[in-house]
Amino acid sequence: NAGVMQNPRHLVRRRGQEARLRCSPMKGHSHVYWYRQLPEEGLKFMVYLQKENIIDESGMPKERFSAEFPKEGPSILRIQQVVRGDSAAYFCASSPGGRIGYTFGSGTRLTVV
Amino acid sequence: DQQVKQNSPSLSVQEGRISILNCDYTNSMFDYFLWYKKYPAEGPTFLISISSIKDKNEDGRFTVFLNKSAKHLSLHIVPSQPGDSAVYFCAASEGHNLFFGTGTRLTVIP
Repeated sequence: NAGVMQNPRHLVRRRGQEARLRCSPMKGHSHVYWYRQLPEEGLKFMVYLQKENIIDESGMPKERFSAEFPKEGPSILRIQQVVRGDSAAYFCASSPGGRIGYTFGSGTRLTVV
Repeated sequence: DQQVKQNSPSLSVQEGRISILNCDYTNSMFDYFLWYKKYPAEGPTFLISISSIKDKNEDGRFTVFLNKSAKHLSLHIVPSQPGDSAVYFCAASEGHNLFFGTGTRLTVIP
């Protein structure tokens, strides 16, 4: 039973490009959460999704960031027109429901040059 | 506004001794608390949790203590082992979100 799979592990983008981060939840998990960890900081909640629905996006920047969790396929976190301040580690977690059984992926480290 | 705080960025402990990691929180509505362990280049791994209705939870070498009146929790690891060296994150839950502290880097010296 594979854990939460995130890809790519490392992503380098030039300023102004788009970044797409993918997250495949654990088998049987229908809840996906995205967190961001900036250097020297803890993980900060961004968005919570269930299949085809955004439940809570209160932690997501209002512009350039979007997330989806389609009926088929992985959850995608999309960052348009990236800037240097977007450089961070982005972690995805999944759960069967609620905060019990919350499992994190290994993260995607985004570097904007 | 940091609702969960870990004021010690690092801690060094001799192998075999006790490691005590501390965490403070400000939101009295938090009803569930968790500790995660994180190695470099990996995602956080769940370690142990405690509900707000309890004051202690033990799992092997790991014990979490909760003091609700002080809004403080701590993680005790005894005896500490070199493999415990990692960054430890405290997290608190209200609803579906987890609010994380900034982490404490534990180094266990052989």
